[in-house]
Amino acid sequence: LAKTTQPISMDSYEGQEVNITCSHNNIATNDYITWYQQFPSQGPRFIIQGYKTKVTNEVASLFIPADRKSSTLSLPRVSLSDTAVYYCLVGDSNYQLIWGAGTKLIIKP
Amino acid sequence: KAGVTQTPRYLIKTRGQQVTLSCSPISGHRSVSWYQQTPGQGLQFLFEYFSETQRNKGNFPGRFSGRQFSNSRSEMNVSTLELGDSALYLCASSLAFKNTEAFFGQGTRLTVV
Repeated sequence: LAKTTQPISMDSYEGQEVNITCSHNNIATNDYITWYQQFPSQGPRFIIQGYKTKVTNEVASLFIPADRKSSTLSLPRVSLSDTAVYYCLVGDSNYQLIWGAGTKLIIKP
Repeated sequence: KAGVTQTPRYLIKTRGQQVTLSCSPISGHRSVSWYQQTPGQGLQFLFEYFSETQRNKGNFPGRFSGRQFSNSRSEMNVSTLELGDSALYLCASSLAFKNTEAFFGQGTRLTVV
């Protein structure tokens, strides 16, 4: 069974780059690694997903090493509105979706 | 394009009762997944329906069940409610089965007293 580990919380300041890493072992070899953002009283919102190496979209980048045992979400130049909980999501070899416990990111002025 | 709609938003029930929650996915999406979210356990996958068939199921007791209709709308039912069932229940829709790019509703906050 796949298992994920994320930091419980992180602090940063406006304008900084923030990197959140999720460790995951025993994940499915051909499934995406996905990251979501969640604000209080809302459902999670899809940010980015990738299979390997690096993926970039308009809001974030995702770095995945060749062994796929971890992934790093990178948020460039964060603002106060990026304060939220960030989840990684992986699939395991039993076709189950495994969510990380979430990282509470607090951005300070 | 309308998002995922969950009803009701809030619900208070008594132990032993049963409850039905509803989810209308984004138009054109055929997969609906249900999650339970609690402060202590995080996001826990309940089940996923695609084309009216349950395709995947999480590790929850049989008191938790669901169904999907031909228009892709889905309901989940919890029978014999327990205090520990108090949680935010989230529905997510996506185009295909096991598609991890999903769109979530705002959830139904269930309180069991």
